[in-house]
Amino acid sequence: KQEVTQIPAALSVPEGENLVLNCSFTDSAIYNLQWFRQDPGKGLTSLLLIQSSQREQTSGRLNASLDKSSGRSTLYIAASQPGDSATYLCAVISSGGSNYKLTFGKGTLLTMNP
Amino acid sequence: DAGVTQSPTHLIKTRGQQVTLRCSPKSGHDTVSWYQQALGQGPQFIFQYYEEEERQRGNFPDRFSGHQFPNYSSELNVNALLLGDSALYLCASSLVVGEQYFGPGTRLTVT
Repeated sequence: KQEVTQIPAALSVPEGENLVLNCSFTDSAIYNLQWFRQDPGKGLTSLLLIQSSQREQTSGRLNASLDKSSGRSTLYIAASQPGDSATYLCAVISSGGSNYKLTFGKGTLLTMNP
Repeated sequence: DAGVTQSPTHLIKTRGQQVTLRCSPKSGHDTVSWYQQALGQGPQFIFQYYEEEERQRGNFPDRFSGHQFPNYSSELNVNALLLGDSALYLCASSLVVGEQYFGPGTRLTVT
């Protein structure tokens, strides 16, 4: 059974810092990994999708890496801004069999300090 | 291009009642998945519909049922509501096993 863990559960940092959010998964047989952002009480916004054959993806100030063999992904946020405050969720689709669901971690709550 | 839409936005029901939530997928997407998110938790997979059939189901009781229509829109039905069913219900659409796009969610409160 796939399990996804995100560390830390919460993070409070000054604006302008570079941030690293971590995600680990127990079964390395994945189809893809997706990072999401969620504002309080809202839906999920897809940030980055990494296919299992890829090592990283970049979008603006965001960079996500994937190391399947060690079951880890990292989301790097450069030059953090006040608007980056949100919960960041990592999710994987496990490969093999008839599996199509996303398995999520509990998220990292990011709070930016002025 | 409209993204994933869900209705209603908020809903308050009484224990034992039944509820229907609706989802319209992103244009061009043929697959709809439903997730339940309790406060402070990551979303949990309920089921996925593809070609009007339930393709995969998570660990939810039979009180949770769904439907997909020929235009790919979908409904989630929950019978005999319990207090523990209070949550944010999220719909996601995709192409087969591609990137999943989520709607704004429906906040269900059971009293």
